[in-house]
Amino acid sequence: EAQVTQNPRYLITVTGKKLTVTCSQNMNHEYMSWYRQDPGLGLRQIYYSMNVEVTDKGDVPEGYKVSRKEKRNFPLILESPSPNQTSLYFCASRIVGVSNTEAFFGQGTRLTVV
Amino acid sequence: AQSVSQHNHHVILSEAASLELGCNYSYGGTVNLFWYVQYPGQHLQLLLKYFSGDPLVKGIKGFEAEFIKSKFSFNLRKPSVQWSDTAEYFCAVRGGSQGNLIFGKGTKLSVKP
Repeated sequence: EAQVTQNPRYLITVTGKKLTVTCSQNMNHEYMSWYRQDPGLGLRQIYYSMNVEVTDKGDVPEGYKVSRKEKRNFPLILESPSPNQTSLYFCASRIVGVSNTEAFFGQGTRLTVV
Repeated sequence: AQSVSQHNHHVILSEAASLELGCNYSYGGTVNLFWYVQYPGQHLQLLLKYFSGDPLVKGIKGFEAEFIKSKFSFNLRKPSVQWSDTAEYFCAVRGGSQGNLIFGKGTKLSVKP
């Protein structure tokens, strides 16, 4: 089954403790992206990647890092989480170079930083 | 830069009422347009999409949307809502087939039984 898998689904952590949220897709998609969703703000893009070893900042990259060492994985790293990074995070992927395609979204990761 | 504006923050309707949620975008070139729905506690699901052709697109669960290029709009409609349509709805735009997906801030729909 084609899917985007995020782990963990729920995470509570403390300020300053490094964490990684994993994202994996099994569709051989070149493009992957991370969003955060906050009430009243919709989804805002954090980082995206057009292919292996190619990453770019989205609209709200501060406090986050990503890497794209393999095509299927696009982990989101919070080196020193702060309470303002408490949010719902979504990973997405899609194919590149083909018209009329849509993005596939993961189930979401609810992160609480205390 | 692309942007998406959803006019209503929260809409409250009774069952069987008709629904129209507004969405306007700002982008000068070819766009791909999407509506997503998020039921309480769940992830995003694609309701419908527009890439080209017939500007009236039909999606799942009886939803439809009309692309009006001259108004830069892509409003979502449903003739008769149900209690199960209670959710948050997001309009999204992608500049061409290769751009990033930009979301509006969302509209919460509450349907009273």
